[in-house]
Amino acid sequence: QQQVKQSPQSLIVQKGGIPIINCAYENTAFDYFPWYQQFPGKGPALLIAIRPDVSEKKEGRFTISFNKSAKQFSLHIMDSQPGDSATYFCAAGEGYQKVTFGIGTKLQVIP
Amino acid sequence: SAVISQKPSRDICQRGTSLTIQCQVDSQVTMMFWYRQQPGQSLTLIATANQGSEATYESGFVIDKFPISRPNLTFSTLTVSNMSPEDSSIYLCSARTANYGYTFGSGTRLTVV
Repeated sequence: QQQVKQSPQSLIVQKGGIPIINCAYENTAFDYFPWYQQFPGKGPALLIAIRPDVSEKKEGRFTISFNKSAKQFSLHIMDSQPGDSATYFCAAGEGYQKVTFGIGTKLQVIP
Repeated sequence: SAVISQKPSRDICQRGTSLTIQCQVDSQVTMMFWYRQQPGQSLTLIATANQGSEATYESGFVIDKFPISRPNLTFSTLTVSNMSPEDSSIYLCSARTANYGYTFGSGTRLTVV
């Protein structure tokens, strides 16, 4: 059973566009929702994270929107750049337990 | 943020041999996690390693194939035993620290020939 559903699996946007990646979860015990960015040949790197008591969090060009009642959260990348081309994973964690990952979204930003 | 040093970064191994991957965290953590990421796929949890106790393995992963050690609160190893080409993958360790959430090592890219 997939506990964190992520969509789309791939996304192509032009430079300056705002790609949006969506995730939904089922386990209401999750209390930590990170997003990871992974470049080819590298391990995932924490990009931004949010807790369920906050509806939005911004860090630079990256914004997480969180809807607790709908059990959904999304990542928006403002003014996307070719250097943002990577695979993005949403995830959810409970306390200090393991993190459950979404399937990943391969983003390509074309000049 | 917390830093996890993982080594080796990559290796090419003969089938039937074993490889041990090491992870060092720059702060004490209660649990460390080992993941496998096959090409183009998401991350799959292999096991959770607590200091002072046996690791807890996820369905489909067994201790004889992936023995784990956790001798202290900053270090863990994962061994991939009796390797076959199907074990070719990226192996990642991770830890959750109080302030910085989950952090990953840079990964070990394993190729079994």
